[in-house]
Order: sequence, then C-alpha cells, then structure tokens
Amino acid sequence: DTAVSQTPKYLVTQMGNDKSIKCEQNLGHDTMYWYKQDSKKFLKIMFSYNNKELIINETVPNRFSPKSPDKAHLNLHINSLELGDSAVYFCASSHGGNTIYFGEGSWLTVV
Amino acid sequence: QKEVEQDPGPLSVPEGAIVSLNCTYSNSAFQYFMWYRQYSRKGPELLMYTYSSGNKEDGRFTAQVDKSSKYISLFIRDSQPSDSATYLCAMSAENSNYQLIWGAGTKLIIKP
Repeated sequence: DTAVSQTPKYLVTQMGNDKSIKCEQNLGHDTMYWYKQDSKKFLKIMFSYNNKELIINETVPNRFSPKSPDKAHLNLHINSLELGDSAVYFCASSHGGNTIYFGEGSWLTVV
Repeated sequence: QKEVEQDPGPLSVPEGAIVSLNCTYSNSAFQYFMWYRQYSRKGPELLMYTYSSGNKEDGRFTAQVDKSSKYISLFIRDSQPSDSATYLCAMSAENSNYQLIWGAGTKLIIKP
C-alpha cells in the first residue's frame, strides 16, 4: 500500500493549458508538501500545509495554487502552463517536519 | 554562498569500496541532519536521520555530524551496484517551521 501517492505520474501538455496533480498520503501525517525538482536534481520547496493550513508559501508564480481538502490530501493546480514549468513535482508528507516521505513524482512536460 | 554545499559528482567507485559523501553548511543553528537516497525516476527516500552531533550507524551506512566544522558525512561500506543513486543531504534548525534546506545531491555510481 503506497504511503504517498500522486497522480498522474507523467503529464505532457501544451503551453497555456491548466492542469492538476493530485496527492494522497495514508501515513496519518499532519504536514504535506509540494516540491519541485529541476533538471539539475535540485529540490525546491513550493508549499507546505499543516493540518490543512498553509505554513510555507515560497516565491512561486501565483499560477500555482495548492488546495488541501483534508489532512490526507494536497492537490496542486497550475494555470496557464509555461515551458519553464516543465519539471518533476513531488508531493511529500511528514509528522513534525524533519523526516519527510516523498511520493514517486509527477513528470510534467510542457510543449 | 549557498546554505548547504554538496558536490554534484558524479562519484564513480568500484564495487566493494567504502564511499564517503559529504555536505558542508553555513548555518550554525542547524540541529537536524538527514540523508536521502534517490533512484532514477523515483522520489527521495529517507536513509539516515541524526540530531545534533555524533555518529549513527544502520547496516552498511554510517552518518556523521561534526557541528564544529559544519560538516556532515555519509559512509557506505561494501558498496553495491544497487547503491548507485543520487544522495541528497538535508538539514533544519529548531523551530524552522518545517523548512528543510537541501543540498544539490551527489550522483554515485558503483561499478561492478
């Protein structure tokens, strides 16, 4: 049973489209995250929710909007996709903040 | 200067060798130190977690923290081809509001 699952795993879409990535965790954690990993493998945090409350909101374009309907889910919606949005997006969760468990990643390619 | 520096490699060693992976950092407030392993096309997975200074051993893996030098290491003994992956260090301070600071990752290749 996958601990942190995100869908879709691969997504190819055209510039200007709107897309969503869904994430669910079954670990009972209270904190969830979205990370972006670029082509050089550098991990950058985008958002973090603790008990459905936004606690980290790094400098990302406001085209990116996270939504946490409950503690076990954190979705990422991206409007007006641009070429530079192509990357791997990881959902993650933790209890307390330091030991983070990642999903398998969603490979987004904007063409 | 980045808060956490990590050589991206690649580091290529023969099977059976002892591997040493390192990170340096500048923030003396960091207290929690983690090593993650990331296989190609997969998410990072937590390998080792250390609080403050000292050593921690888990099987073939040993994590070391030297806070006086602001230097952390991950040693892999009897390295195997299956250890080939990217290793990322991460660290945080007390009351950091769940904000981990990540190294860039070192790509490790174990040659059979």
